[in-house]
Amino acid sequence: GQQVMQIPQYQHVQEGEDFTTYCNSSTTLSNIQWYKQRPGGHPVFLIQLVKSGEVKKQKRLTFQFGEAKKNSSLHITATQTTDVGTYFCAGPTILDSGGGADGLTFGKGTHLIIQP
Amino acid sequence: ETGVTQTPRHLVMGMTNKKSLKCEQHLGHNAMYWYKQSAKKPLELMFVYNFKEQTENNSVPSRFSPECPNSSHLFLHLHTLQPEDSALYLCASSQVQGGYGYTFGSGTRLTVV
Repeated sequence: GQQVMQIPQYQHVQEGEDFTTYCNSSTTLSNIQWYKQRPGGHPVFLIQLVKSGEVKKQKRLTFQFGEAKKNSSLHITATQTTDVGTYFCAGPTILDSGGGADGLTFGKGTHLIIQP
Repeated sequence: ETGVTQTPRHLVMGMTNKKSLKCEQHLGHNAMYWYKQSAKKPLELMFVYNFKEQTENNSVPSRFSPECPNSSHLFLHLHTLQPEDSALYLCASSQVQGGYGYTFGSGTRLTVV
C-alpha cells in the first residue's frame, strides 16, 4: 500500500540553527500538504504544493515539492522556540487498486526539539 | 477555536460501554473525516464523508461506527472497545478541491480501561 515516509523522526537543534525535514512518497502525488502539531495540540495546516519543482515560502519556512512529485522538504531558517512541534507531510490517499480516494495519508512526522 | 469543535475533550470508558464522539464544523466545508492518532504511529484515516456520503471506510473494525446526519455534524459511535483503541481521535473538515487543507478539531483523548 501507499507509504509516506519522513526523516528524521526527531531533530534536536540549538535555538537559531536551521532545521530541515524530508518527506518521501512511494507513489507520485497530485499534491502534498504540510501540517504542524504543537505538543498537546492538533495538526494545523501550513501549506499545499501542487506543481512539480514548486517552492513556497512563509517567513522563515521554505517548502519544496520535488520534480518527480514524490518527495518534499520543509526548511526552517534560524529556529525559534515557537517552532517546537511535530511537522507532518501528507498526500492524497491512493488505494491498493491504484485508484484515488478521498482523505490524506500522513507521514509519521518529524519532532523538532529546540534547546535554548 | 478552529471552527471544528469536538466533544468531549477527554473520555474514559470501560470495554463494555457504549459512547459517542461528536464533531461539529462551522466553516461551510463539504467533507469531514475521522482520524486516529496513537503514540509512535502516523495519523490513521478512519472514515471520510464527502457531501454527507461515506466514501471511505479504511478497514476500521465494526466496533467503530460513524454517522453523518448533515454536512456540519459527524459522530463516531463506540462500543465494546479494546484497550489498544486508546488514542487521540481527531475530526477534520475540508472543502473538496479547495486546496486549503484540512481544519482539525482539538480531538478527543480516549482511554479504554
